[in-house]
Amino acid sequence: KAGVTQTPRYLIKTRGQQVTLSCSPISGHRSVSWYQQTPGQGLQFLFEYFSETQRNKGNFPGRFSGRQFSNSRSEMNVSTLELGDSALYLCASSLGDPPYEQYFGPGTRLTVT
Amino acid sequence: AQSVTQLGSHVSVSEGALVLLRCNYSSSVPPYLFWYVQYPNQGLQLLLKYTTGATLVKGINGFEAEFKKSETSFHLTKPSAHMSDAAEYFCAHLSGGYNKLIFGAGTRLAVHP
Repeated sequence: KAGVTQTPRYLIKTRGQQVTLSCSPISGHRSVSWYQQTPGQGLQFLFEYFSETQRNKGNFPGRFSGRQFSNSRSEMNVSTLELGDSALYLCASSLGDPPYEQYFGPGTRLTVT
Repeated sequence: AQSVTQLGSHVSVSEGALVLLRCNYSSSVPPYLFWYVQYPNQGLQLLLKYTTGATLVKGINGFEAEFKKSETSFHLTKPSAHMSDAAEYFCAHLSGGYNKLIFGAGTRLAVHP
């Protein structure tokens, strides 16, 4: 079974631009969560989608948004990029509610210049 | 607020020595607890999880962890370290239902010959 895939793997953007990251979950998984990883703040939860509905949201500004499609694929968008948005963005998928495990993708490395 | 504390941001052991990575959680309810490993330029891989039942949990690659409610701890151990164990390890627990993981700051494990 294919794992969680994220595209693109690397991205360089300029301050003020916007960016869209994509995540394809493991086949059959309906929950997709997004996390931001930075050296200073560590791993932080962004949001979770389940059956196209956002169920949970972390403490991030409104510039960070996401959505989930009917095939469970998910995208996250960051508008008006800031230097501090440079991070590894990780997507994780799960069959459903806990205690199902979350399986992580390789991440998208975003650099904002 | 619920949190996870990992004692020691860096741990160094000799090949063949015992690995002990410490994790304490703060929660008023029995948690779901996880250990993940991250190799350079990769996503997170689940090592093991505790949900309910047996407090000694065995995971992949010879790792195990013991849930101690009285100490609010979930330390990760491996009897004999291999060079391939060098990586960053994250302890996490679920917060507030659904799939929101709260991560510790991580412990970087170095294994030397």
